[in-house]
Amino acid sequence: QKEVEQNSGPLSVPEGAIASLNCTYSDRGSQSFFWYRQYSGKSPELIMSIYSNGDKEDGRFTAQLNKASQYVSLLIRDSQPSDSATYLCAVMDDKVIFGPGTSLSVIP
Amino acid sequence: EAQVTQNPRYLITVTGKKLTVTCSQNMNHEYMSWYRQDPGLGLRQIYYSMNVEVTDKGDVPEGYKVSRKEKRNFPLILESPSPNQTSLYFCASSPSTSGVSYEQYFGPGTRLTVT
Repeated sequence: QKEVEQNSGPLSVPEGAIASLNCTYSDRGSQSFFWYRQYSGKSPELIMSIYSNGDKEDGRFTAQLNKASQYVSLLIRDSQPSDSATYLCAVMDDKVIFGPGTSLSVIP
Repeated sequence: EAQVTQNPRYLITVTGKKLTVTCSQNMNHEYMSWYRQDPGLGLRQIYYSMNVEVTDKGDVPEGYKVSRKEKRNFPLILESPSPNQTSLYFCASSPSTSGVSYEQYFGPGTRLTVT
C-alpha cells in the first residue's frame, strides 16, 4: 500500500516568517508530486508541481524534491495570514495518493 | 471559463436510494477522478479514468460505480447508499496522459448525507 505522510501540525508561524512543510512517500518509483492548499470547506487548489530533483520556485513558494530520500517539501516565504490553510501533499502516477495534510496558521 | 462542475452541491438522502453525482469539465482533460474527504482520513481516491471507456479503482471503490462514456463527463453512482458514505466528495480532472501526470483541477465539492 503506497503511503504519503505529512506532519499533521498544526504549524504556527508569525506573519513574515518562513513556513516549512514536509512530506515523505513510500513508492520509490513515483514521478509526479504536488502541493495543494485547501481552505476549510473549499476544494483543494494547486500551489506547486514538481517532477525532478531540486528546487522549484514560484513567487513566495519553493518546492523541493529529493527522490533518493523520498522527500518533498514546501517553503512559504514572507508568510501571510491568508496562507492559513491546510496544505496537502500528493503523489500521482495513475492513482493519486494524498497525505493527511498539515494545518498552517499564520499569526498576525 | 475553464472549470470542473459538480451537481448537486448538497444532497441528503436515505439508505438504499440510488443516486448519481454528476461531474463535467470543459478543459478537454483526459484524466478524471473522484475523491471522498473525511475528517481524520484526508482525501481518498474512489475511482479514476485515464480516458473515455477506461476506468480503474482507487483506494476506496467499494459501494461506488462510475462510467466514462464522454470525455467531459464522469458521473459517480451510489447504487445503494449507506450512512458510511456520508462524506464530502470532489471530482477532479487533469490533462494527464498515460505515463505523464499533471496537476489536477478540482470541482467545488458535493456534501452528501445518507440517513
